Amino acid sequence: DVQLVESGGGLVKPGGSLRLSCAASGFTFSSSSMNWVRQAPGKGLEWVSSISSTSSYIFYADSVKGRFTISRDNAKNSLYLQMNSLRAEDTAVYYCARYPGYFSGGSYYYYFDYWGQGTLVTVSS
Amino acid sequence: EIVLTQSPGTLSLSPGERATLSCRASQGVSSTYLAWYQQKPGQAPRLLIYGASSRATGIPDRFSGSGSGTDFTLTISRLEPEDFAVYYCQQYGSSLWTFGQGTKVEIK
Repeated sequence: DVQLVESGGGLVKPGGSLRLSCAASGFTFSSSSMNWVRQAPGKGLEWVSSISSTSSYIFYADSVKGRFTISRDNAKNSLYLQMNSLRAEDTAVYYCARYPGYFSGGSYYYYFDYWGQGTLVTVSS
Repeated sequence: EIVLTQSPGTLSLSPGERATLSCRASQGVSSTYLAWYQQKPGQAPRLLIYGASSRATGIPDRFSGSGSGTDFTLTISRLEPEDFAVYYCQQYGSSLWTFGQGTKVEIK
């Protein structure tokens, strides 16, 4: 079975740093693009960052650009999110999610097929 | 950046009724770039529909997706008790992903 398990969340003061991890199993991690998506309390989903299978392509939402860094270790089947200069508005549940890169009929299909259970990050003094 | 606007914000229906959820994009979206998710309280989102109209593995056939261009629809033909949840549409474009703000389907 596919499993994505996030860890590393917690309470941090504004301006502080935190590193999230996502441990993957049940699929070929090294062949999959991965993403971080967050959800502030009582709010909707917000895509945060994506990384291609070989780390060649990395993208960020404007809201975190310059403060967050996504990375991966394919040997450890793990995805990471280094979060620096944290703000109150970064408070959210952070999910890792897989983009499967499904290709059919001459087209790629874009969606996230597996999600972790999330880890809560609270930024507060 | 393409903005997705979902309507209505809340849909109050009874079990057995039909639910029609709308997702409108600020610019045209390729159908293969449009997906729908269901989220229940305290749970991660679950993929329902990809490619605007293809059901994900294990999704009951009472869920269907349609639309093209800027207007997409998720239809639940007959609501079951477990279908009361929040639904999000999602699109991909210019290396960025965006979600709609969600539609809550609640029990009337």
